[in-house]
Order: sequence, then C-alpha cells, then structure tokens
Amino acid sequence: SQQGEEDPQALSIQEGENATMNCSYKTSINNLQWYRQNSGRGLVHLILIRSNEREKHSGRLRVTLDTSKKSSSLLITASRAADTASYFCARNAGGTSYGKLTFGQGTILTVHP
Amino acid sequence: NAGVTQTPKFQVLKTGQSMTLQCAQDMNHEYMSWYRQDPGMGLRLIHYSVGAGITDQGEVPNGYNVSRSTTEDFPLRLLSAAPSQTSVYFCASSYGFGVMNTEAFFGQGTRLTVV
Repeated sequence: SQQGEEDPQALSIQEGENATMNCSYKTSINNLQWYRQNSGRGLVHLILIRSNEREKHSGRLRVTLDTSKKSSSLLITASRAADTASYFCARNAGGTSYGKLTFGQGTILTVHP
Repeated sequence: NAGVTQTPKFQVLKTGQSMTLQCAQDMNHEYMSWYRQDPGMGLRLIHYSVGAGITDQGEVPNGYNVSRSTTEDFPLRLLSAAPSQTSVYFCASSYGFGVMNTEAFFGQGTRLTVV
C-alpha cells in the first residue's frame, strides 16, 4: 500500500498566486523527493530533501520537511500556467531500500491564466 | 544522451496474450525499476533491480516477470495479460548504492490496454 498521502488532491489557482501541496508519510525516511508529471508524460524530478534538512529551495520551489510530524510541503511561488501538472511526493527509506521510492497519490494543480 | 527509453509507447493486448515492455538507460545506473500508474493514483512499484543479475519484487509483482542481464536493459514481461493490467507503465533508473541520495530518471511511459 502507498505510504505517502498528499493533500489537497486537486488545487486550482490563478496565475501569480502561490500553490502549496502537502505530503505525509508513516515510516522513517532517508530522503523525500518531489516530482512533476505533465499530462500523459513521464515524471520529472524537482527537488530532493534529506532527512537531516528542514528546508530547501530551487528557483520558485520551496520544500520543507518536518520529520517529527512526518510531513513535507512543496510551495510554488508566483505560479504560471505552465506549472499546471500533477505533483507527487516520493519517500526513500534508504538502507537496503536505497533505490526504492514510495509515491503518494499526487496533487493535480491547475493554474488559470 | 537519451536517458531512459521505453518501447512501445502504446499497446493493446487481448486477454491471455503475453508481451515484453522494453526499458533501456544509457546513464550507467545500477538501480532500475518498473512502476504502474492507475487513474487517480500515484505510482506503485512492480519489480526492481539493484544491478545486473539481481532483481526483487515490489508492491504489486503478480503477473509480471523481470530479468536484468545487462546494466542498460530491464525488460518487463506480462505472462498472461489480464484487464486488471490495463495501466500506464513507467521505467525508472538511478545511481546505485554508493550514491545514497539520488533522484530517479523516468521514461515516458507505455500505455497498455488489455481487452
């Protein structure tokens, strides 16, 4: 069963607004990753945050991680219509599972021009 | 540098038929995996491999078979297709054990319909 839960399941905003997506998980992690999927396409890696990190930035993306609450959030600032996509968090447990990713069900983001 | 290449992109099978989904990567990654994605769901791991000659089961392995004879290739075989295997299949690769925190690279997917 999937061990990552994301909310909201769908998010609709206007261009220029910020979009926040949340991810919760149940077991310990080595790192947590966020991916983007455009309709009908493969997944593209956005950002990876290690278990000993609390915040990470990449361009208009900001990811936070709270291991005590087993949760992470992805913030997209000043959104654009081109940001319309599905966003997934993926947990990596590390150890002997070093390559395995467990995905949440995703958040569908729609940015209206 | 093509990354992860999956073939075919689309496939329609009849129930009971078998087929092989191909996946190849040119990044010398040790770790490769197969996921399936169903509507409204995230990706679920089918099988994975940590190197040539080594494979293991993921979350939903039933009805699928894999082998890894080379670093580059990781084919997924459907032994006897069932309508429940209608899905989009993604292959992914990443660096191996020596690189603990690494992203995965995904292919563009194979959309499979079993009728």
